Amino acid sequence: DIQMTQSPSSLSASVGDRVTITCRASQSISNYLNWYQQRPGKAPNLLIFAASSLQSGVPSRFIGGGSGTDFTLTISNLQPEDFATYYCQQSYGTPYTFGQGSKLDIK
Amino acid sequence: QVQLAESGGGVVQPGRSLRLSCAASGFTFSSYGMHWVRQAPGKGLEWVAVIWYDGGTTYYADSVKGRFAISRDNSKNTLYLQMNSLRAEDTAVYYCAKEVYSFGEIIARYFDSWGQGTLVTVSS
Repeated sequence: DIQMTQSPSSLSASVGDRVTITCRASQSISNYLNWYQQRPGKAPNLLIFAASSLQSGVPSRFIGGGSGTDFTLTISNLQPEDFATYYCQQSYGTPYTFGQGSKLDIK
Repeated sequence: QVQLAESGGGVVQPGRSLRLSCAASGFTFSSYGMHWVRQAPGKGLEWVAVIWYDGGTTYYADSVKGRFAISRDNSKNTLYLQMNSLRAEDTAVYYCAKEVYSFGEIIARYFDSWGQGTLVTVSS
């Protein structure tokens, strides 16, 4: 199985800041990497697919990058609604494993 | 718009069975692969199972293989998860999710819609 490792597991930032979350795959997954945001008590919401493609309706301050084994999610100009948990997911092959999550909270 | 609504969760004793349903609307259900993903209390997301658009192919996480069965009824626009021999570690919110598999300029596979989830608690 492909293991997905996110870092950091938690981070604190202020409104207006820029943050970057990293996701590493245990083997090359090309660009089959997706990012989801999950707010407490809610279902996950797709932000980025294919490593860098922005899902319709998602603000452009969310930027995805990388390919192969190393990927990033950068959120610029943090807004209050961005404080949530973020998950990467590989869809290269089953099982479609998720990273352990990165919880972003307000400093 | 796309809507996915899970049902069937509840409290069940270890070793017993439960069947979850996911009613789909707002899209051509029979054209899309569908997944189950679960989340134990306070934990991360765990992929559980997938069924292809026609029901002809299924895959499972090792943690549920041999105990859970994913199925679909395209005439009823409904996805199912039959869960047998339930264990305490199966306690989680179970989400159904719609897969998009694009073959165009960008080749990608992702979950663009999720249900609200249904809680399964396995406890004596």
